[in-house]
Amino acid sequence: GEDVEQSLFLSVREGDSSVINCTYTDSSSTYLYWYKQEPGAGLQLLTYIFSNMDMKQDQRLTVLLNKKDKHLSLRIADTQTGDSAIYFCAESSNSGYSTLTFGKGTMLLVSP
Amino acid sequence: ETGVTQTPRHLVMGMTNKKSLKCEQHLGHNAMYWYKQSAKKPLELMFVYSLEERVENNSVPSRFSPECPNSSHLFLHLHTLQPEDSALYLCASSQRLAAEETQYFGPGTRLLVL
Repeated sequence: GEDVEQSLFLSVREGDSSVINCTYTDSSSTYLYWYKQEPGAGLQLLTYIFSNMDMKQDQRLTVLLNKKDKHLSLRIADTQTGDSAIYFCAESSNSGYSTLTFGKGTMLLVSP
Repeated sequence: ETGVTQTPRHLVMGMTNKKSLKCEQHLGHNAMYWYKQSAKKPLELMFVYSLEERVENNSVPSRFSPECPNSSHLFLHLHTLQPEDSALYLCASSQRLAAEETQYFGPGTRLLVL
């Protein structure tokens, strides 16, 4: 079956880089996503990567994909206190309709 | 973020009440979704309406009933809920059969069942 695993918690200091890791099991995933959820809010799409890419950069965000190991990471450069939130990794499935399988989320806490 | 809106944002209801959650998407998408987010659990897909086809997660109890009158609106009708149904209910939409089918989420409805 499909499963997405993430570490539950990460704490960094403001200005440092943050790296959030994710592993997934569905080798047929076409897209992998990172969503951000702030307290009391819905999920905000941060970025996504197509499965035939190994890296995508978008301003302070860098996504690395190791398809062989089914490992996805999100690096946030120069982390700010406003980056404190829960980050969800999700993989798309090819089951005939568009569905996502989410991890349980990584809580990122950025201290001043 | 106004692409997907949800009302109400917060709802408290008793176990004998009937209420409905509403979702509206302004993105021109052709698929809409209901998810349940409970503490310490992954997001759970409840229902999908895609190209006029409905798909449901068989583990969702019948006390949850979706309705999708058109491609822009989605409802979740609630009746005789249980306290364990307290959660954040998230709506999402996407464009099926597009080059990529990214899902965009609403802010959610925080539901408390007493």
